[in-house]
Amino acid sequence: AIQLTQFPSSLSASVGDTVTITCRASQGIGSALAWYQQNTGKPPKALIYDASSLHSGVPSRFSGSRSGTDFVLTIRSLQPEDFATYYCQQFNSYPRTFGGGTKVDI
Amino acid sequence: EVQLVQSGAEVKKSGATLKISCKASGYSFRYYYIHWVQQAPGKGLEWMGLVHPKDGRTVYAEKFQDRVTMTADTSEDTAYMELSGLRSDDTAVYYCARATGNSADNWGQGTLVTVSS
Repeated sequence: AIQLTQFPSSLSASVGDTVTITCRASQGIGSALAWYQQNTGKPPKALIYDASSLHSGVPSRFSGSRSGTDFVLTIRSLQPEDFATYYCQQFNSYPRTFGGGTKVDI
Repeated sequence: EVQLVQSGAEVKKSGATLKISCKASGYSFRYYYIHWVQQAPGKGLEWMGLVHPKDGRTVYAEKFQDRVTMTADTSEDTAYMELSGLRSDDTAVYYCARATGNSADNWGQGTLVTVSS
């Protein structure tokens, strides 16, 4: 199974900051990667698909990129509602594994 | 508007069987995969498997392979996830999610399952 390693596991930031979260795949997955945001007690919300495409309605301060087997989620000008946990998931092969998550807090 | 509405919270005894429903609306149910995801208390997301409503094809994660059955009823636009042989570490929130391309773009609200001995 493909493993996704997310780092950091947590980070502290302030409103207005730019944060980056990395998701490293254990083997090549092309661009078959999605990012999600989850607030406590809520279901995940889809942010990005195909490594860098934004879902409809997702603010443009979110962006995704890929370099080989490394995938990066960048959040610019962090807003209060962005303090949450973020997960990556690969869609290259089964099982459709998730990364371990990155908690972004104040 | 795409919506996935799951059945309510459940309390089960160890060894029992759980069946959760996921009612879809706002799109053509038969043409999109439905994934199921487990989230234990305070933990991350774990992919359990998927079902394709049109032909019933399923793929299960190895961890759940022997205990899980995923089905879909296209006459009711509803997907189901059945988990047997429940044990305490199955206590979790279970989500269904619609998948399109390389993403799960719409999620159910989650179903909290508590397994007690």
